[in-house]
Amino acid sequence: GAVVSQHPSRVICKSGTSVKIECRSLDFQATTMFWYRQFPKQSLMLMATSNEGSKATYEQGVEKDKFLINHASLTLSTLTVTSAHPEDSSFYICSASPRTVYGYTFGSGTRLTVV
Amino acid sequence: AQTVTQSQPEMSVQEAETVTLSCTYDTSESDYYLFWYKQPPSRQMILVIRQEAYKQQNATENRFSVNFQKAAKSFSLKISDSQLGDAAMYFCAYRTSTSGTYKYIFGTGTRLKVLA
Repeated sequence: GAVVSQHPSRVICKSGTSVKIECRSLDFQATTMFWYRQFPKQSLMLMATSNEGSKATYEQGVEKDKFLINHASLTLSTLTVTSAHPEDSSFYICSASPRTVYGYTFGSGTRLTVV
Repeated sequence: AQTVTQSQPEMSVQEAETVTLSCTYDTSESDYYLFWYKQPPSRQMILVIRQEAYKQQNATENRFSVNFQKAAKSFSLKISDSQLGDAAMYFCAYRTSTSGTYKYIFGTGTRLKVLA
């Protein structure tokens, strides 16, 4: 089945530094990947749609300069949280699918803590 | 714009019993997909069941089945013979079938507790 790998699973960084999160499709090619943010006990909020070889499409209210997305290959998308602040602390999840008619497979998520 | 509503923040069910989780949605589209995802404490999102809007037959996956009422825009999940491992957050999701964008719209989730 479709497998999506996400790393790291947990990261702690200092305020003002940048953090990169990777999302890989292991056994399929993904021209589109999605990045979500989830606050405790809340639903998933779509941040952006990552498109291979082109610019990401950001949802309204998401700062594209703070959350940099790069989808340089058919199997890898990265989310970089730049100049991180404590309010960026959250759970970030990516998803992708080998065929859009199927449900998306999600990565295992990354818990980011900014101190 | 499409919306997804889960009106039950929390539900409880006795082990081996049956429970139904509710989901309603709003859309002007005629063709779309609906999903139920499970998120256990590990926070890994797991696909439970999928329903294509053009299919009248309700989807089933082992102990999980849906009651899809297209006219009422309702998509409930029934879990039969509940097991302790079913305890999790359950999210209902809508996905357009319109070419060009396939993003999900999630409901707010229902926390299911299974009592031994």
